[in-house]
Amino acid sequence: DILMTQTPLSSPVTLGQPASISCRSSQSLVHSDGKTYLSWLQQRPGQPPRLLIYKISDRFSGVPDRFSGSGAGTDFTLKISRVEAEDVGVYYCMQTTQFPITFGQGTRLEI
Amino acid sequence: QVQLQQSGPGLVKPSQTLSLTCAISGDSVSSNTVAWNWIRQSPSRGLEWLGRTYYRSKWYNDYALSVKSRITINPDTSKNQFSLHLNSVTPEDTAVYYCSRDRGRAVAFDYWGQGNPVTVSS
Repeated sequence: DILMTQTPLSSPVTLGQPASISCRSSQSLVHSDGKTYLSWLQQRPGQPPRLLIYKISDRFSGVPDRFSGSGAGTDFTLKISRVEAEDVGVYYCMQTTQFPITFGQGTRLEI
Repeated sequence: QVQLQQSGPGLVKPSQTLSLTCAISGDSVSSNTVAWNWIRQSPSRGLEWLGRTYYRSKWYNDYALSVKSRITINPDTSKNQFSLHLNSVTPEDTAVYYCSRDRGRAVAFDYWGQGNPVTVSS
């Protein structure tokens, strides 16, 4: 299985300031079709996870443009340009390049 | 708008079978462009993908190796829903269980059910 490792596990942030979360995979996430299937999920307290970003940097429908994703191969980053109060929660990276689908352990964003 | 409504018991005894249902609205369990998944979340294991069912001229299933000997995911076309059955449960299976849709590798888990907390205890 591909191991997904996130850093940090907890991130205190200030409203209006940027935030960044890193995710590293134990092997390359480049699929044989040439694409990289790395996604980011957000989980607010008491809610199911919500898809934010897919294929490294594509924002899902309705996701604010303050969220952006980048990276390649085994190293990926989620950035929030200006943190808002509604961004509090846990963020997970996820790979769907290879079965089984695996998730990072989560990064808690705290104001 | 796709909606997934989960149902099932919140308490299961050890060695028994955990059964949950996910009712779909706004899409079809028989769609040949999506798959229907079960995922669970616990403090000890984090988010864990369990398996999926999908239709591509016939029905297919994929299961995580960790539960493959104990899991069945079945579609129910008459009710437009799908179910999870996990047998021989132990306290390690205590988790919040979610159903979710995926549109392939690229757009995985775009819609989620509300979650079912399940405790395995006598």
